[in-house]
Amino acid sequence: QKEVEQDPGPLSVPEGAIVSLNCTYSNSAFQYFMWYRQYSRKGPELLMYTYSSGNKEDGRFTAQVDKSSKYISLFIRDSQPSDSATYLCAMAPGGTYKYIFGTGTRLKVLA
Amino acid sequence: SAVISQKPSRDICQRGTSLTIQCQVDSQVTMMFWYRQQPGQSLTLIATANQGSEATYESGFVIDKFPISRPNLTFSTLTVSNMSPEDSSIYLCSVEDSVNEQFFGPGTRLTVL
Repeated sequence: QKEVEQDPGPLSVPEGAIVSLNCTYSNSAFQYFMWYRQYSRKGPELLMYTYSSGNKEDGRFTAQVDKSSKYISLFIRDSQPSDSATYLCAMAPGGTYKYIFGTGTRLKVLA
Repeated sequence: SAVISQKPSRDICQRGTSLTIQCQVDSQVTMMFWYRQQPGQSLTLIATANQGSEATYESGFVIDKFPISRPNLTFSTLTVSNMSPEDSSIYLCSVEDSVNEQFFGPGTRLTVL
């Protein structure tokens, strides 16, 4: 079993839809939870960085962490075609830089 | 966030040769990292490069295959040695800022024939 599981998709939604992207994990030591967006042929771009449980909002993006269920989510409101990309979750134990990444979910927002 | 550049952006190499990838950052950073991203797989950490010390390699990666240099706080190189087609991948460098966030370069797309 992988430490971090992420559905590879692709996930296709119409423009304006609310998108929900998810990851599950098995290591209870993870304290830091990140979401990256990666456009084709580009490097990953940090979208959200959260510590421990709870929600964090930034514009149209909301990151949610449920440590009791070992489950994290990224919500995108009013999705746009420009949101079409691969979304990677990443996690790290406290006090370490060792990020563990999911395989990424490919999102397509249709105009 | 730091601005990170990598050279080359892509290359096609012959089996048995070596390629050195450069990573340049626009500010001084303590920790730099090298990752590999293979198709359909998650980003995998190869090694951590700190200035003034030997690189620290993750399980499954060895210095003879992936020698790393870190001559100063804004620059690092990763060499992929004695390449085989299995080394075809995207290689990414990243840096950590003061609040432990990691930022990535654009990547180097390597194809080995």
